[in-house]
Amino acid sequence: AQSVTQPDIHITVSEGASLELRCNYSYGATPYLFWYVQSPGQGLQLLLKYFSGDTLVQGIKGFEAEFKRSQSSFNLRKPSVHWSDAAEYFCAVDFSGAGSYQLTFGKGTKLSVIP
Amino acid sequence: DVKVTQSSRYLVKRTGEKVFLECVQDMDHENMFWYRQDPGLGLRLIYFSYDVKMKEKGDIPEGYSVSREKKERFSLILESASTNQTSMYLCASTSNTEAFFGQGTRLTVV
Repeated sequence: AQSVTQPDIHITVSEGASLELRCNYSYGATPYLFWYVQSPGQGLQLLLKYFSGDTLVQGIKGFEAEFKRSQSSFNLRKPSVHWSDAAEYFCAVDFSGAGSYQLTFGKGTKLSVIP
Repeated sequence: DVKVTQSSRYLVKRTGEKVFLECVQDMDHENMFWYRQDPGLGLRLIYFSYDVKMKEKGDIPEGYSVSREKKERFSLILESASTNQTSMYLCASTSNTEAFFGQGTRLTVV
């Protein structure tokens, strides 16, 4: 079965430190890849997406992600975390590869930021 | 701005009740989705629709049905609510390049 794995349930970082959130997916072809953020009591906001082309993708709020086909990974990074980045982050995959947006989500990584 | 509106932020219903969760989008999108979100499980796809009167089962359709009578409205129906359907329900509407989510409906079944 197709699946998305976010191995870290909860991560705590200090403000100003760098961040990497991991995401792996199970599939052979290149799916469409997404990262969403959800602040408490809020809906999901798209941070960035990868469809094709350059494997390093820039998103909003200073986030970037790198697609590595050989590792079936799409890890999210930020060089310097701000307290406002505390939220839950979801990796999502459209395995259809056709842009149907049938998204399979990972279980999420909750990010806490220490002042 | 694209807006996906879910009619209720919070609902409390009794076991056995028929429950309707409404979702409306204002961008003429053809694709609409219903997910449920549970702690530690992420979001799971319940049903989706690519056109009016069309519906497809997602990963966890049991206990749910949907209705898409108009393009802008996609309703999730719990025919007989049960306590294990207590959850956050998120509706999404998609263009060719992005999915837009509503704020969610937190449903409690008592």
